[in-house]
Amino acid sequence: KAGVTQTPRYLIKTRGQQVTLSCSPISGHRSVSWYQQTPGQGLQFLFEYFSETQRNKGNFPGRFSGRQFSNSRSEMNVSTLELGDSALYLCASSLRTGTTNYGYTFGSGTRLTVV
Amino acid sequence: DAKTTQPPSMDCAEGRAANLPCNHSTISGNEYVYWYRQIHSQGPQYIIHGLKNNETNEMASLIITEDRKSSTLILPHATLRDTAVYYCIVRVPSSGSARQLTFGSGTQLTVLP
Repeated sequence: KAGVTQTPRYLIKTRGQQVTLSCSPISGHRSVSWYQQTPGQGLQFLFEYFSETQRNKGNFPGRFSGRQFSNSRSEMNVSTLELGDSALYLCASSLRTGTTNYGYTFGSGTRLTVV
Repeated sequence: DAKTTQPPSMDCAEGRAANLPCNHSTISGNEYVYWYRQIHSQGPQYIIHGLKNNETNEMASLIITEDRKSSTLILPHATLRDTAVYYCIVRVPSSGSARQLTFGSGTQLTVLP
């Protein structure tokens, strides 16, 4: 069974540009969550999607957005990139939103560097 | 979600048991204790979870004190591949308003040869 797939693995962008990251969840998983990890702030929740709807959102500016498609694949977009957006972006999938007993499977992440 | 306190770092000799403590003195009756770990530059990996009874799976054992104010994750025979940051998370499963995982700083476990 394939795991959570995130693409690309690495990305370098320039300040002011925008970026789109992709996440394909485990087959059958309908919930996708996104997290940002930086050395200073650690792992922080961005948002969660279930059935193509954003169900929960963390404390990030509106430059961070996402969406989910009918096949449960999700994308997140960051517009007007800032140097502080350099981070490891992680995606996690689960069978359904709120399933946390052991339901979250994380991808390997996309390492974004903003220069 | 209840706050957790973990030591920032620990060392363990390869082949020995690694005991990682976590304090969660404000845990409420319906909150579970979850453990995840993150090997460098990879996504977090679920290890184990429990409510009040001790739990064991193929990866680890979880010991929760009777008053549930603290717990210990035990890796019975640590290997070099167990070197990672270990996160203890306390939360209510399927909580309607808080469906995300809140990660603290975790414990950096280094397994020494």
